[in-house]
Amino acid sequence: KAGVTQTPRYLIKTRGQQVTLSCSPISGHRSVSWYQQTPGQGLQFLFEYFSETQRNKGNFPGRFSGRQFSNSRSEMNVSTLELGDSALYLCASSLQGKNTEAFFGQGTRLTVV
Amino acid sequence: GIQVEQSPPDLILQEGANSTLRCNFSDSVNNLQWFHQNPWGQLINLFYIPSGTKQNGRLSATTVATERYSLLYISSSQTTDSGVYFCAVQPNAGGTSYGKLTFGQGTILTVHP
Repeated sequence: KAGVTQTPRYLIKTRGQQVTLSCSPISGHRSVSWYQQTPGQGLQFLFEYFSETQRNKGNFPGRFSGRQFSNSRSEMNVSTLELGDSALYLCASSLQGKNTEAFFGQGTRLTVV
Repeated sequence: GIQVEQSPPDLILQEGANSTLRCNFSDSVNNLQWFHQNPWGQLINLFYIPSGTKQNGRLSATTVATERYSLLYISSSQTTDSGVYFCAVQPNAGGTSYGKLTFGQGTILTVHP
């Protein structure tokens, strides 16, 4: 059974640009969550999608957005990149998003210069 | 929101030693997971353990939900055990907890040969 797949693995962008990250969950999993990991703030929850609907959202500015497709694949977008957006972005998938085990992808390391 | 505290923050061991990592949380949970983050950033699932005791080889974990803590035991440590260990919880908080794991700050484990 394939695990959670995130693409790309590494990305370098310039301030002001936008970026789109992709996450393919484990087959059969309908919940996809996104996290940002930085040395200063640790792992922070961005948002969760289930059956193409955003059910939960963390405390991030509107520049961070996401969506989920009918096959449960999810994308997150960050617009008008800032230096502080440099981070490891992790995606997790689970069956239902609650009372079930979450599995993480390898992450996308974003560097904003 | 729920608070998660891990201890110790850093742990240095000689190969072959045993160790205990602790995770305290501030509210009742329906999901508790232990992860090992590898040098490339991926979170590797160790245990899904909202309550009770589980064992997997040299690793075992116990969660006492009524007292709001969990312990991860590593026996006969190896250099490959080095890395960051995270505890993450999901509270019984209705819709605001969908897909959201709250992470502790982690324990950095270094095992010397």
